[in-house]
Amino acid sequence: QVQLQESGPGLVKPSETLSLTCAVSGYSISSGYYWGWIRQPPGKGLEWIGSIYHSGSTYYNLSLKSRVAISVDTSKNQFSLKLSSVTAADTAVYYCARHPHSCSSTSCYLYWFDPWGQGTLVTVSS
Amino acid sequence: EIVMTQSPATLSVSPGERASLSCRASQSVSSNLAWYQQKPGQAPRLLIYGASTRATGIPARFSGSGSGTEFTLTISSLQSEDFAVYYCQQYNNWLYTFGQGTKLEIK
Repeated sequence: QVQLQESGPGLVKPSETLSLTCAVSGYSISSGYYWGWIRQPPGKGLEWIGSIYHSGSTYYNLSLKSRVAISVDTSKNQFSLKLSSVTAADTAVYYCARHPHSCSSTSCYLYWFDPWGQGTLVTVSS
Repeated sequence: EIVMTQSPATLSVSPGERASLSCRASQSVSSNLAWYQQKPGQAPRLLIYGASTRATGIPARFSGSGSGTEFTLTISSLQSEDFAVYYCQQYNNWLYTFGQGTKLEIK
């Protein structure tokens, strides 16, 4: 059974970089699937941040692309999120999730998210 | 960006009754739509993908329908554990977007 677990600081100062890691158990990241990050501000809806393949191929939400970097460490079976220049608007519960996909010769198509990690609350405040 | 609009924002239904939740896309997403259930303090759980295919372990009382821009999640006979917030998500366009959610509450 695939399980995902987010970890990282719960408090980040404005203008600094938010860093989170998602550890995957029960499945080898190198075996396939894209792996994604999604966030949810308190009391609000869900926003996809970006997704990564074990090869390092990434897709990012254009609204966050200039501040986001997602990386993968197959030796540790985990992937990570960095979000720079954070403000209070970045306060949210951050989830990681498996992101099924298929690829043609020219493009990849990503689908739904399943399963999800339990999420971790990151507060941006001085 | 494809905007997903869910209605109503809140739906009050009695246990044992049927609930129908709506999700509308700002442009066609074909059948590339998923539904999730989220309970307080928990992560979303995948219910439906491909607009109508139940995910593994999801009870048969959950069903999805629709294509193009109009979609419906139906729960045929509400159980106490079904009262939660439900989100739709489109994956037709690579900028994956979610609806704002429908809160299903006990009447």
